[in-house]
Amino acid sequence: DTAVSQTPKYLVTQMGNDKSIKCEQNLGHDTMYWYKQDSKKFLKIMFSYNNKELIINETVPNRFSPKSPDKAHLNLHINSLELGDSAVYFCASSQAGGKVGYTFGSGTRLTVV
Amino acid sequence: DQQVKQNSPSLSVQEGRISILNCDYTNSMFDYFLWYKKYPAEGPTFLISISSIKDKNEDGRFTVFLNKSAKHLSLHIVPSQPGDSAVYFCAASYGAGGTSYGKLTFGQGTILTVHP
Repeated sequence: DTAVSQTPKYLVTQMGNDKSIKCEQNLGHDTMYWYKQDSKKFLKIMFSYNNKELIINETVPNRFSPKSPDKAHLNLHINSLELGDSAVYFCASSQAGGKVGYTFGSGTRLTVV
Repeated sequence: DQQVKQNSPSLSVQEGRISILNCDYTNSMFDYFLWYKKYPAEGPTFLISISSIKDKNEDGRFTVFLNKSAKHLSLHIVPSQPGDSAVYFCAASYGAGGTSYGKLTFGQGTILTVHP
């Protein structure tokens, strides 16, 4: 059983399109995250939700909108995709605010052409 | 402004020898540090962590050392095995609530290659 699953694994799309990445965790964790791994390989936080409530919203363009229908799901919707959005996006979950470590999904490689 | 840095992009070690991966940080508010291991096409997996009240934490072949005065931590793997070949990320966090809740700041990773 996959603990944190995100779909799709690969996403190739044209500039200007709108796309969504889905994430689900079956660990019973109360906090979920979206991280972006850029071309320099840094993993940077985008959003964090705790029990469906937005906790962290880093400096991310308004084109990115997270949605958490319940504490087991955190989806990421991206409007008007740009070339610079190409990256690997990782979903993660944790208990106790991350102090015991995250469990990551396997990532979604987004390529905007 | 990168608050967590891993200045060695790669490290190559012979099987059975010690691997030492280094990490430096600038934010003195960080009070918890973690190491993650990542294989290609997979997400990072949690390896070991250390609280700022300690200077060493050991788990099997893996030991993390923290030098708060130098704002430096290191991960030692002894003995190194070919299966340890992966990208290793250092991460740091602070606080238990507010806007920092659960946020991890990652370094850019070090590629470890263990040769048989």
